[in-house]
Amino acid sequence: AQSVTQLGSHVSVSEGALVLLRCNYSSSVPPYLFWYVQYPNQGLQLLLKYTTGATLVKGINGFEAEFKKSETSFHLTKPSAHMSDAAEYFCAVSKAGGTSYGKLTFGQGTILTVHP
Amino acid sequence: NAGVTQTPKFQVLKTGQSMTLQCAQDMNHNSMYWYRQDPGMGLRLIYYSASEGTTDKGEVPNGYNVSRLNKREFSLRLESAAPSQTSVYFCASSAFVGTGDNYGYTFGSGTRLTVV
Repeated sequence: AQSVTQLGSHVSVSEGALVLLRCNYSSSVPPYLFWYVQYPNQGLQLLLKYTTGATLVKGINGFEAEFKKSETSFHLTKPSAHMSDAAEYFCAVSKAGGTSYGKLTFGQGTILTVHP
Repeated sequence: NAGVTQTPKFQVLKTGQSMTLQCAQDMNHNSMYWYRQDPGMGLRLIYYSASEGTTDKGEVPNGYNVSRLNKREFSLRLESAAPSQTSVYFCASSAFVGTGDNYGYTFGSGTRLTVV
C-alpha cells in the first residue's frame, strides 16, 4: 500500500519569504509524485509532477520540488511567496503501472497563508 | 474547452434520498475516478474505472455505486444518502498509465453535496 504524509496542516509565511511544504511518501515500488493546488471553492490544479528522469522538478507559478529517494520525500518550495499563493496544497503518489492503474493517494493537505 | 465536466455543482439531499452525480471527459482518457474531499483528510478514492467496461472499489466505496457508461462518462450513485456522505466530490480522468510525460490527471470542478 502507498501513503502520503504532509507535515503541517497549516503553514504561514510572509510575502517574499521562502515557501517550504513538506511531503513524505511510502511506496513499495518506484512512485510517481505530484503536487496539486486548490484555491477556495475550486478544483485541483497540477503544480508539478515527478515520473522519471531529473529529480528536481520545476512547475508552474515558480514552484519546484525535489524527489529524494533516500529520504522518501518530495518537498515543495518557492523562493519568494506571493499573496496569490495562498491556497491548499496536496501531495499525491501513484504507482507507475501495475494493478493500481494509476490510482492517486493524497496527503491530508497543507493550507498556506501568506501575510503582507 | 477540453476537460472533465461534473454535474451538478451543488446539491442538497434529505437523508434516504438517492441521486446520481454525472461526469464526462472529452480527452479520450482510458481511466476515470471518483474522489471525495473532507477537511483534514485530503481526497480519498471512492471508485475507479481503469478502462471502459471495468470498475473497481477504492478506499471508501461503502454507500456508493458507479457506472462506466462509455469511454467518456462515469457516474456515481448514492442509493440512500446519509449525513456522513456530506462532502465535495471530484471526478478525474487520466492518460495512459506509465507513459512518463504523458501521464497525468485532469480533475473536474467538483460537486458540493450536503445531506441533511
